Amino acid sequence: DAKTTQPTSMDCAEGRAANLPCNHSTISGNEYVYWYRQIHSQGPQYIIHGLKNNETNEMASLIITEDRKSSTLILPHATLRDTAVYYCIVRSPLEGGSQGNLIFGKGTKLSVKP
Amino acid sequence: DGGITQSPKYLFRKEGQNVTLSCEQNLNHDAMYWYRQDPGQGLRLIYYSQIVNDFQKGDIAEGYSVSREKKESFPLTVTSAQKNPTAFYLCASSIDLGSSTGYTFGSGTRLTVV
Repeated sequence: DAKTTQPTSMDCAEGRAANLPCNHSTISGNEYVYWYRQIHSQGPQYIIHGLKNNETNEMASLIITEDRKSSTLILPHATLRDTAVYYCIVRSPLEGGSQGNLIFGKGTKLSVKP
Repeated sequence: DGGITQSPKYLFRKEGQNVTLSCEQNLNHDAMYWYRQDPGQGLRLIYYSQIVNDFQKGDIAEGYSVSREKKESFPLTVTSAQKNPTAFYLCASSIDLGSSTGYTFGSGTRLTVV
């Protein structure tokens, strides 16, 4: 079972920031937070990941709360091409067996509207 | 450019036939994975391989088989024992199982059994 909770869907106006929340209240100390997105009928695309500190790359920013029980993915200027399902995943690369792999829930369907 | 190639993109088979899905990567990654995705659902792990000549069952391995004879290749066979084989199949790879880096996904194969 996925260890995260995300809203089923969200809308965002084109050009505005999209803020996608994720709850992971049972996260353990060695688990990272990963974000992927999947555009319809394509393979998931890696966006960003972090452990404790906030992270930023050319695609997005990841804000992790101090207690690590929740995080927010920020797309600073959403475009129509950002319409996709966004998955928040927690994973420990140190964990053995299939649980050490990425476990995908249903994600958040983000619709960017003109 | 390095990446993962899945072929074919669309595949149709008659019920009762085995079918093999191809996955090739030139990223020099040790670990490879197969996921299945049903409409409106997240991804479920079928099999994964940490290294050549080694593979492990994921959460839904029944009715599937894999091989890992070469580092670059991780083919998936959907056997006649799989009760509901129609789905979108995704292959992925990562540097290794113990790394915190993300997975790279292929573009998927959509299998339809008639």
